[in-house]
Amino acid sequence: DTEVTQTPKHLVMGMTNKKSLKCEQHMGHRAMYWYKQKAKKPPELMFVYSYEKLSINESVPSRFSPECPNSSLLNLHLHALQPEDSALYLCASRGSKAGPYTGELFFGEGSRLTVL
Amino acid sequence: AQSVAQPEDQVNVAEGNPLTVKCTYSVSGNPYLFWYVQYPNRGLQFLLKYITGDNLVKGSYGFEAEFNKSQTSFHLKKPSALVSDSALYFCAVRDGTGRRALTFGSGTRLQVQP
Repeated sequence: DTEVTQTPKHLVMGMTNKKSLKCEQHMGHRAMYWYKQKAKKPPELMFVYSYEKLSINESVPSRFSPECPNSSLLNLHLHALQPEDSALYLCASRGSKAGPYTGELFFGEGSRLTVL
Repeated sequence: AQSVAQPEDQVNVAEGNPLTVKCTYSVSGNPYLFWYVQYPNRGLQFLLKYITGDNLVKGSYGFEAEFNKSQTSFHLKKPSALVSDSALYFCAVRDGTGRRALTFGSGTRLQVQP
């Protein structure tokens, strides 16, 4: 069982559509991540939010627009995507509580996106 | 920049036999190393981590990993493989530049045969 919840699990969209992926965690974590994973490849970092502020953007095309409305929620807005953007999109969170920082991430089950 | 390498695309082992999935790393400073497992069409599940301390780290589902600083390796091991261990395994290293993200290896598919 995962404590990071992603919706929808599957999404099919056309290249002119606008859609959003959603991620929610209730572990009190203050850092949240979007990773993109193509089939049989490792996850690739897209965005990092820390304390609801965007701290890392890995030069992701502007057709992907992240949003962090509050410390529990993370969205990824999608617009004018290309077929090559089809992938599994993984959300993760990381704790930032008192004590040594160790860095492990907790992942959701992912949203599988197909762009037609 | 930090990096992690998994030299084997696939590892095949018979059920009940010990298994090893290899990982080597390159980081500046102290390494923070992780293993994750991914089942088909699922997210990544955290297995174990090495931060400091004992070189043998124990994790979930009977897995353990051995940190070897001189060989810059962090191999994943299990004394007796189960068919249900068949999955994709990723080694990861924490970004040493302070970005607080993980960099993943290419992954190793473990196939346990009955």
